[in-house]
Amino acid sequence: DQQVKQNSPSLSVQEGRISILNCDYTNSMFDYFLWYKKYPAEGPTFLISISSIKDKNEDGRFTVFLNKSAKHLSLHIVPSQPGDSAVYFCAASGDNNNDMRFGAGTRLTVKP
Amino acid sequence: IAGITQAPTSQILAAGRRMTLRCTQDMRHNAMYWYRQDLGLGLRLIHYSNTAGTTGKGEVPDGYSVSRANTDDFPLTLASAVPSQTSVYFCASRTYAGSGQPQHFGDGTRLSIL
Repeated sequence: DQQVKQNSPSLSVQEGRISILNCDYTNSMFDYFLWYKKYPAEGPTFLISISSIKDKNEDGRFTVFLNKSAKHLSLHIVPSQPGDSAVYFCAASGDNNNDMRFGAGTRLTVKP
Repeated sequence: IAGITQAPTSQILAAGRRMTLRCTQDMRHNAMYWYRQDLGLGLRLIHYSNTAGTTGKGEVPDGYSVSRANTDDFPLTLASAVPSQTSVYFCASRTYAGSGQPQHFGDGTRLSIL
């Protein structure tokens, strides 16, 4: 039962363009959403998060948008850089603080 | 450099053997976690500990056990390894178990059960 889904296993964009990574969830009790970035042979690192009381959170080149009615969130990276090439995981947590659910990840490739 | 250290980095293990994956953090975080990462499934929570002396079961706890004798260490034990436990295992920690708190991850242990 995957409560957090990232339906695109991979995404390729040109350097300087926008990268949009998508995530859908099914559990309406989730109240916090996080994005992690993972390089090969390393652990995931926290990138940006958003509370369910907001619909947008921005940090430099990274912006996360939340559409609660659609149970959908997205991560925008503008402009994309080759160093952004990594696997991006979407995660969600709710009233059970220990039960953070992760999506399967999207591999982003930014071409120079 | 403060962070999470996992050992070993990788291991090949015969089925039926016992194995303990080690995890140590020096950030004085209260909460610690063990995940497994499998292709197409993302990270799934095995066990967690909200504070030293307490542990709890996650999404996929069967075949695994943990202990939290102190703040820094959170070992994961496979009592009798089976091939389906072949995976990459990540230990994580965070300041406390709050939904907005991001987790810090170690670099993982790649475990192959033959």
